Amino acid sequence: RKEVEQDPGPFNVPEGATVAFNCTYSNSASQSFFWYRQDCRKEPKLLMSVYSSGNEDGRFTAQLNRASQYISLLIRDSKLSDSATYLCVVPRGPSGSARQLTFGSGTQLTVLP
Amino acid sequence: EAGVAQSPRYKIIEKRQSVAFWCNPISGHATLYWYQQILGQGPKLLIQFQNNGVVDDSQLPKDRFSAERLKGVDSTLKIQPAKLEDSAVYLCASSLQGAGGYTFGSGTRLTVV
Repeated sequence: RKEVEQDPGPFNVPEGATVAFNCTYSNSASQSFFWYRQDCRKEPKLLMSVYSSGNEDGRFTAQLNRASQYISLLIRDSKLSDSATYLCVVPRGPSGSARQLTFGSGTQLTVLP
Repeated sequence: EAGVAQSPRYKIIEKRQSVAFWCNPISGHATLYWYQQILGQGPKLLIQFQNNGVVDDSQLPKDRFSAERLKGVDSTLKIQPAKLEDSAVYLCASSLQGAGGYTFGSGTRLTVV
């Protein structure tokens, strides 16, 4: 089993739609998680951190289910500017230290006008 | 605050040639990482430095890849000789020890023909 697995996508949705991405992780000891966003030909950038059951930031909601080792990202009211690849990330190492990041393969989202 | 600087942005070489990439992290960031991102995949860690020492190079193909961070500031990643499968984006990232937050550079896109 891969350390981090994501929906392969691609997801093509109309503006205003709600879309959800799923991610599973193999290390049950993992405590925190990230969603990164990567625009075409750009570097990954942190979108959200997930430390407990979930986190909400405007139109974006991340949820964590530790029992199922499952993380999700929900985007409401999709905008054209949300078109990007979304990467599920599991850090390795103690919290507060400089940790290594294990990335999923990413899910590509295209929001259509 | 200046970001992580990488050069060159693009490089095309023939297989069996050598190539070097340079990274200058954010000032004061003790930890520096090199990641390899193959098209359609998430970034994969190659090597992690703490100041001028190697923390983890277990995923660095040492028969052809080498990296150094001699003065604990900027870093160079070298491939010699290159193979077709080395075609990827090479991302440098730095973080402040204890904070865990990453900043990625814009990457070097390598094409081996």
